[in-house]
Amino acid sequence: NAGVTQTPKFHILKIGQSMTLQCTQDMNHNYMYWYRQDPGMGLKLIYYSVGAGITDKGEVPNGYNVSRSTTEDFPLRLELAAPSQTSVYFCASSSLFDNEQFFGPGTRLTVL
Amino acid sequence: QKEVEQDPGPLSVPEGAIVSLNCTYSNSAFQYFMWYRQYSRKGPELLMYTYSSGNKEDGRFTAQVDKSSKYISLFIRDSQPSDSATYLCAMSARSGYSTLTFGKGTMLLVSP
Repeated sequence: NAGVTQTPKFHILKIGQSMTLQCTQDMNHNYMYWYRQDPGMGLKLIYYSVGAGITDKGEVPNGYNVSRSTTEDFPLRLELAAPSQTSVYFCASSSLFDNEQFFGPGTRLTVL
Repeated sequence: QKEVEQDPGPLSVPEGAIVSLNCTYSNSAFQYFMWYRQYSRKGPELLMYTYSSGNKEDGRFTAQVDKSSKYISLFIRDSQPSDSATYLCAMSARSGYSTLTFGKGTMLLVSP
């Protein structure tokens, strides 16, 4: 099993551009999450999904959108990128039965 | 008062030392407590998982929960340079589907 994979690993985006961060898991987990991590600030939940077709906002959803058309994939869309969205983005997934979240390796995004 | 408080460090110790990492929290509904370890430029990985109050031991690691004081600890015995990482506490009010509330993480540096 590859676990949770994320692409790209790094990206530089210009202000006002849009992009999609990809996340795929092969553990057949129902739940998936997107977090951002800024230096010294811990993990902030952006969006989460409890299954295909169902998504909900987390703590910091502004400027982001998500969709969940399959169990495996949970892409995060940035529209009109702003410097405040410079961060490391982590995708995670968990099963129905316990709280353990499995994290991907992260995407380092810089908006200039 | 923030929901979860964690000293960001860095905490620097010599190899072989006993390390104590701590988090305090304010939400009395939290019942599930986790410690994640995050190496530099990697995603977090689950290290310890405990339910309610008490101790749990796994090799050199011991997790302790004191719900009456709203305080959790992670002890590392015989610390090694390979333990150098950021340690994040996380907690949840219920099992199965639930979003986690993370501390900001404590950076630990173990020198040889």
